[in-house]
Amino acid sequence: GQSLEQPSEVTAVEGAIVQINCTYQTSGFYGLSWYQQHDGGAPTFLSYNALDGLEETGRFSSFLSRSDSYGYLLLQELQMKDSASYFCAVRDQTSNYQLIWGAGTKLIIKP
Amino acid sequence: NAGVMQNPRHLVRRRGQEARLRCSPMKGHSHVYWYRQLPEEGLKFMVYLQKENIIDESGMPKERFSAEFPKEGPSILRIQQVVRGDSAAYFCASSQDRFNSPLHFGNGTRLTVT
Repeated sequence: GQSLEQPSEVTAVEGAIVQINCTYQTSGFYGLSWYQQHDGGAPTFLSYNALDGLEETGRFSSFLSRSDSYGYLLLQELQMKDSASYFCAVRDQTSNYQLIWGAGTKLIIKP
Repeated sequence: NAGVMQNPRHLVRRRGQEARLRCSPMKGHSHVYWYRQLPEEGLKFMVYLQKENIIDESGMPKERFSAEFPKEGPSILRIQQVVRGDSAAYFCASSQDRFNSPLHFGNGTRLTVT
């Protein structure tokens, strides 16, 4: 079957670094994406990894290891505005290239 | 360059009425996706359409729910004879292609069934 696992909640301190992990099980992996969603808002695209390694975009980085079926989102210099839910999603070739979504990780940032 | 536009933002319906949700994709995007989200939960895929065609409706209940994406005009998600359990946020997203392009989401329609 297809499934994604990510922690339901992570707490961190303002200014710190936090890593949100995502493990997946799919039959036709095509790429791993990360989306951010603030309460009451729309999900917004953060990053996409199709190949192994680290992709950096400002304070956010995303990593993928296809051999381990594992990825993570790294957020540095945390700001209060980063408090949101973060979703990993895998594109699956065997499902019309649909995005298979994780249940989301709620990031709580304390001052 | 307008993003994905959804309307209405909030919709209240009584049990048994019909709900009609509209979505205009980003300019140049021909792939549209509908998702449903309950509070404190993740996104549940409902249907994927590409201009005039339903590509994948595996996440959509077979009864009462339908979707279309006509050649002209917005994509419509229609829920007939709504029940309280249909209350949720419904998000539409669009993308440029089905392989690598990220999804761009609208602000959603919050449906409340009384």
